[in-house]
Amino acid sequence: KNQVEQSPQSLIILEGKNCTLQCNYTVSPFSNLRWYKQDTGRGPVSLTIMTFSENTKSNGRYTATLDADTKQSSLHITASQLSDSASYICVVSDRGSTLGRLYFGRGTQLTVWP
Amino acid sequence: EADIYQTPRYLVIGTGKKITLECSQTMGHDKMYWYQQDPGMELHLIHYSYGVNSTEKGDLSSESTVSRIRTEHFPLTLESARPSHTSQYLCASSETGGGDGELFFGEGSRLTVL
Repeated sequence: KNQVEQSPQSLIILEGKNCTLQCNYTVSPFSNLRWYKQDTGRGPVSLTIMTFSENTKSNGRYTATLDADTKQSSLHITASQLSDSASYICVVSDRGSTLGRLYFGRGTQLTVWP
Repeated sequence: EADIYQTPRYLVIGTGKKITLECSQTMGHDKMYWYQQDPGMELHLIHYSYGVNSTEKGDLSSESTVSRIRTEHFPLTLESARPSHTSQYLCASSETGGGDGELFFGEGSRLTVL
């Protein structure tokens, strides 16, 4: 069964600290993996996309990694800011074709305290 | 910022009422989607469209219906709302098929049925 599991479910950190969010998937075949950020009361916004051949990709203070062998991805946030408080959703796609399906994780709720 | 708009943002109605959630995008995307999101749960696809006059049901069974008469417009209708329909509804669009295309989300419509 194709699944996407995220951990932790929720996380509280102090402003300025770093954190790492995890995403494990069993989706096969694999096409790509995206991390989305969803602010409270807003729609998700894409942060980064990882394809099979990519191991790491950065977008400002966000760095995503992918280990396609172990089917794991992580999102590392450096020097956290209050605006990083949001839900981070991992989405895995199969096949990558017009018929490709998306599998969503339940998200990690991150709270950054001053 | 994505040019996709949902109205209303919030709606509280009584059981048995008919409601339509509006979704419009100005990006010229062929692909549009409706997702249902409950707290702490993953997004569930309830309807999608790959173009004008094309609509399909998603993975999650829903009593709602959709139409796609114009490329930019993808409304969702509930003929007779029930408390079980209380949820957040997110509209999204993508330039390519959902398999590898980035999803652009609206800000959501939060529906409460009393």
